[in-house]
Amino acid sequence: NAGVTQTPKFRVLKTGQSMTLLCAQDMNHEYMYWYRQDPGMGLRLIHYSVGEGTTAKGEVPDGYNVSRLKKQNFLLGLESAAPSQTSVYFCASSTPFSWRGGMLDTQYFGPGTRLTVL
Amino acid sequence: AQSVTQLGSHVSVSEGALVLLRCNYSSSVPPYLFWYVQYPNQGLQLLLKYTSAATLVKGINGFEAEFKKSETSFHLTKPSAHMSDAAEYFCAVTSNTGKLIFGQGTTLQVKP
Repeated sequence: NAGVTQTPKFRVLKTGQSMTLLCAQDMNHEYMYWYRQDPGMGLRLIHYSVGEGTTAKGEVPDGYNVSRLKKQNFLLGLESAAPSQTSVYFCASSTPFSWRGGMLDTQYFGPGTRLTVL
Repeated sequence: AQSVTQLGSHVSVSEGALVLLRCNYSSSVPPYLFWYVQYPNQGLQLLLKYTSAATLVKGINGFEAEFKKSETSFHLTKPSAHMSDAAEYFCAVTSNTGKLIFGQGTTLQVKP
């Protein structure tokens, strides 16, 4: 049981290049998330998915695209990288959120991808 | 709208001393609150969570947090710091759609 894995761990891009970050989870979770972490700003939600074939925008979606073709995978794409996208990217997954009965599951995080855009 | 404020971006304590990391929240719905820990070069790991059961929540590694509605606070404490507690700590609150809103983070330094 690997939990949440992310590929690659590190990447350096030049401005204008494109890349895809891969997140995989083996916990059969419905929900998956992409965050970026910047110093002094905590984690900010980029995009998320509540199930296979669905995606939705988070707090900072501009410049990113996502796809959830398989339940266990959530891809984050940068079509034309910019220096402002230099950050650490985290993927997370969880079971569906529900207020009823106080059932709220934990988000499980991957180890992160450190991206530098020159 | 929900928000989280962590007071103090850096906290330094001596080994064996009390750890107190402060978190205040704002929420228009009954909040669910979390503390996560991030060790260097790792992802986030759940320390503890409050989901309206008990106001004093015990977590892993000897940490606990108390939910105080009147003060809109959810401070994290540990009676005796250990060198291995050095990490970054994040407080988070659920939004009314279930997404997590994170605070800015507090880096805990433990001095020998």
